[in-house]
Amino acid sequence: SQQGEEDPQALSIQEGENATMNCSYKTSINNLQWYRQNSGRGLVHLILIRSNEREKHSGRLRVTLDTSKKSSSLLITASRAADTASYFCATDAYFGNEKLTFGTGTRLTIIP
Amino acid sequence: DAGVIQSPRHEVTEMGQEVTLRCKPISGHDYLFWYRQTMMRGLELLIYFNNNVPIDDSGMPEDRFSAKMPNASFSTLKIQPSEPRDSAVYFCASSRGSGTAVGNQPQHFGDGTRLSIL
Repeated sequence: SQQGEEDPQALSIQEGENATMNCSYKTSINNLQWYRQNSGRGLVHLILIRSNEREKHSGRLRVTLDTSKKSSSLLITASRAADTASYFCATDAYFGNEKLTFGTGTRLTIIP
Repeated sequence: DAGVIQSPRHEVTEMGQEVTLRCKPISGHDYLFWYRQTMMRGLELLIYFNNNVPIDDSGMPEDRFSAKMPNASFSTLKIQPSEPRDSAVYFCASSRGSGTAVGNQPQHFGDGTRLSIL
């Protein structure tokens, strides 16, 4: 399946530190998206990176994409307690598949 | 702007009962998705619609599950009869993307319905 795998499954860091999460996928893609999910809430879109892009920034977020390794990373700089959430990557498939397939998620805990 | 609205937020019912989950997508969005989230299986796509037409229902687990979208502002997911293994959080999401690949559009999720089948 196309499902992405996030690594690590769980991450705890001190407030102010940077957090890095990784996503690997199996088949060629057109786009990769990152989402955040707070406890008891729906997923919230963070950033989209296209297959011809290598890096993208949005505020404190930095996403990289390495299509040769079929992997992406999400970096959150200067973490805050409010960043505590689960983070998911989602990929589409290169050939004609409109669906997004979500990874298993990384549970991030920011310790105040 | 109002986001995706789901109802009810919580549903507890007994095995064998019919369950109906409701979703109002964001106005102007052409795609609507139903997902199920469990600890064991993560987030699974059940079915999605484009312009009110079901496009792919390959994720619907069994004939007990059905979904409809009678108009652009409303969709239902029905389980009949319900079973304990259907217990999960069900999400509805919507996005733009008519005529283009939907993978290049962000999806907007509701806050889900937490379903417990006893």
